[in-house]
Amino acid sequence: AQTVTQSQPEMSVQEAETVTLSCTYDTSESNYYLFWYKQPPSRQMILVIRQEAYKQQNATENRFSVNFQKAAKSFSLKISDSQLGDTAMYFCAFGTRANSKLTFGKGITLSVRP
Amino acid sequence: DAGITQSPRYKITETGRQVTLMCHQTWSHSYMFWYRQDLGHGLRLIYYSAAADITDKGEVPDGYVVSRSKTENFPLTLESATRSQTSVYFCASSESAGLGFSTEAFFGQGTRLTVV
Repeated sequence: AQTVTQSQPEMSVQEAETVTLSCTYDTSESNYYLFWYKQPPSRQMILVIRQEAYKQQNATENRFSVNFQKAAKSFSLKISDSQLGDTAMYFCAFGTRANSKLTFGKGITLSVRP
Repeated sequence: DAGITQSPRYKITETGRQVTLMCHQTWSHSYMFWYRQDLGHGLRLIYYSAAADITDKGEVPDGYVVSRSKTENFPLTLESATRSQTSVYFCASSESAGLGFSTEAFFGQGTRLTVV
């Protein structure tokens, strides 16, 4: 079984600064995907970024990038130039091709201060 | 409208009553899922379905029943609601797992269920 750990329950960052959200996971699978989902106060789950485990290159989507350390089983999310709209809960998630199920971490609440 | 929709958005029910949460997707995705979100637990998988008439238990299935007679619908039933089932419930769907598919899940807007 897979586990996903987000050990920081809350973080705060000043607008325009950079923040990194941590995530570690444990699995015996070799073929898997990792995701970061954002949940703003509207409650909608929004995919921020995904990483295929077989790819060595870290994924990037505009201001969002990941630091994927496969050997360490670490998958952190970096948000550059933080904006007020980034205020949300962020979930790290793990999935495999075997059955498409996702295993989520407990989430981290990010607050962006003006 | 295209996408995945849940109904109702909010529901209050009494202990012991049966309640059904609806989920409908228009993409013809093979996989559908039900998660519950509770503070301090993140999202936990209740049940999932790989195709019509194929369902399987997730991490927290007790007290819930699902069915999938049509690909687009995946209702979740609480047979006899308990206060511990007060939660936010999310339905999600994804394409068939396999080469070239990323297993990205698309979520409905959630149902906030309160059992009193």
